Amino acid sequence: SAVISQKPSRDICQRGTSLTIQCQVDSQVTMMFWYRQQPGQSLTLIATANQGSEATYESGFVIDKFPISRPNLTFSTLTVSNMSPEDSSIYLCSAEQGANTIYFGEGSWLTVV
Amino acid sequence: GNSVTQMEGPVTLSEEAFLTINCTYTATGYPSLFWYVQYPGEGLQLLLKATKADDKGSNKGFEATYRKETTSFHLEKGSVQVSDSAVYFCALRSVGGADGLTFGKGTHLIIQP
Repeated sequence: SAVISQKPSRDICQRGTSLTIQCQVDSQVTMMFWYRQQPGQSLTLIATANQGSEATYESGFVIDKFPISRPNLTFSTLTVSNMSPEDSSIYLCSAEQGANTIYFGEGSWLTVV
Repeated sequence: GNSVTQMEGPVTLSEEAFLTINCTYTATGYPSLFWYVQYPGEGLQLLLKATKADDKGSNKGFEATYRKETTSFHLEKGSVQVSDSAVYFCALRSVGGADGLTFGKGTHLIIQP
């Protein structure tokens, strides 16, 4: 199974600042995804990140707020811009390895104060 | 659009009890179906999956059968252990497999000794 590492694992951020989360996969993958999990809630897909093209965002999420990079087949970043307390969540990176086998990182737990 | 409905918890059982967590879905065609588990303080782990009607996914004593006629993918285990205490998420992925996952709200399972 793919091993997905995220950094940072936790952070406390000041409102108005931006934070970039890194996601590293231990093998090349075509599709990577970013999700948000608000406290006590389910996961919501933010965007799909494919190498060589712009990320595809889900309804309610925009590039200016959540810019994503995908420079190669093993790495992606998600930036949470101009943070507010409502952005306090777990942000999870996931990647597909093999048909319909999707793995998740441990998540990045962000608290905005 | 796609949606997943699962029983909300918490569900509290005694050790060695039989477990069923209900999951139904709404989607076009034949989506792929998944169960993920999230142990306290950890990320999501893929528990099992099924990609076509009547398929049975199984892992670690858990199993679920893809029922197209009832649009269901109920999770079962014959004898639960305290270590099974976690949050369980049912999820689907659209036909074609180019999208991310749509998750249910999660079911918190508590197993008492």
